Amino acid sequence: NAGVTQTPKFQVLKTGQSMTLQCAQDMNHEYMSWYRQDPGMGLRLIHYSVGAGITDQGEVPNGYNVSRSTTEDFPLRLLSAAPSQTSVYFCASREGQGFYGYTFGSGTRLTVV
Amino acid sequence: AQSVTQPDIHITVSEGASLELRCNYSYGATPYLFWYVQSPGQGLQLLLKYFSGDTLVQGIKGFEAEFKRSQSSFNLRKPSVHWSDAAEYFCLSNFGNEKLTFGTGTRLTIIP
Repeated sequence: NAGVTQTPKFQVLKTGQSMTLQCAQDMNHEYMSWYRQDPGMGLRLIHYSVGAGITDQGEVPNGYNVSRSTTEDFPLRLLSAAPSQTSVYFCASREGQGFYGYTFGSGTRLTVV
Repeated sequence: AQSVTQPDIHITVSEGASLELRCNYSYGATPYLFWYVQSPGQGLQLLLKYFSGDTLVQGIKGFEAEFKRSQSSFNLRKPSVHWSDAAEYFCLSNFGNEKLTFGTGTRLTIIP
């Protein structure tokens, strides 16, 4: 089925470890983005990309890196995990301009101990 | 500053009753507005969206929303809720740029 695929669904990391959350879409969407969801705070934008080779920071970018080498993939890297990065992470893509709806992945639940 | 506010953190409604979830925005122009629903442990699904035209927007699952410029609101409504509507609902906008801004969400509980 077409959509946004996130892997893994669950992950436990130790403080200081690094890892990459994967996000792939097969809809040829130019726009992709990463959010974290924390209780009582809604979803907050981490990084986004408007096309291959183009990325920019969102509201809470510290501690995260992204790259966009292909249209399909938009991985999120945690450089040195901290307990404050315990959260649920969502990837989303969008077709065309801002008035189109966003398609979200099913999320990755990350726990940093 | 541009913002989206959902004043109600949690709402409880009886099955079959009507529902209204509130959303207010702060922006100098008409933003692109969306309502999404998140079922427990799931991703987010688009219910409806507005960016211009008819201010009453119909969505999926029997939901509708009305854009009111004078009140800076985009409230979500459903005439009769079903137990399967229990979920968390998010109002969002990108305010014409690339940065999607979420409200904090409203959790809906349905009682028999």
